[in-house]
Amino acid sequence: QKEVEQNSGPLSVPEGAIASLNCTYSDRGSQSFFWYRQYSGKSPELIMSIYSNGDKEDGRFTAQLNKASQYVSLLIRDSQPSDSATYLCAVNRQRIVYNFNKFYFGSGTKLNVKP
Amino acid sequence: EPEVTQTPSHQVTQMGQEVILRCVPISNHLYFYWYRQILGQKVEFLVSFYNNEISEKSEIFDDQFSVERPDGSNFTLKIRSTKLEDSAMYFCASSDLAVLAKNIQYFGAGTRLSVL
Repeated sequence: QKEVEQNSGPLSVPEGAIASLNCTYSDRGSQSFFWYRQYSGKSPELIMSIYSNGDKEDGRFTAQLNKASQYVSLLIRDSQPSDSATYLCAVNRQRIVYNFNKFYFGSGTKLNVKP
Repeated sequence: EPEVTQTPSHQVTQMGQEVILRCVPISNHLYFYWYRQILGQKVEFLVSFYNNEISEKSEIFDDQFSVERPDGSNFTLKIRSTKLEDSAMYFCASSDLAVLAKNIQYFGAGTRLSVL
């Protein structure tokens, strides 16, 4: 079982629409959840972080977390062609004894926003 | 804005050669990480480093790999005898807090390693 699973896509949406990206994770002990955007050939860039159940909004982006269902999502409102990228879901596993964290990344969902 | 810097941006080497990938984390960060991304595949965790020692490593991080913080600013990844399958993009990341799972990692631009 993969630690973090995402639909690889591509997900195609028209400009101005809402893009919905989904991610599930296997470790119920996970406590931090992140969405990164990665353009082709570039490094991951943090978009959102979320730590508690519910919604967190930042501009056109909304992250949603449901720990009971082990599910985290990212909504992008008013999608723009510049949003076209691969979106990586990352889950943090904490080891309190050593006071450090390791990330598990999903394989990413490729988003295409068509003008 | 502070950033993680990596050098070189592209490294070409012959199979069996040693390579050292260099990273300068954000200056006040305490935790350092290396990740690998084979072309078209997902980002994979290699190793985390804190307080001058490895905190955790993945199964990918075998005896061919080592990390070091030789001075107060650099963080290096060494591959002793490169294999063709080591060809990938290697990302360095750093974070300033790993308490209460609030860790946010910032990534460098990456070094593309090509093993011929």
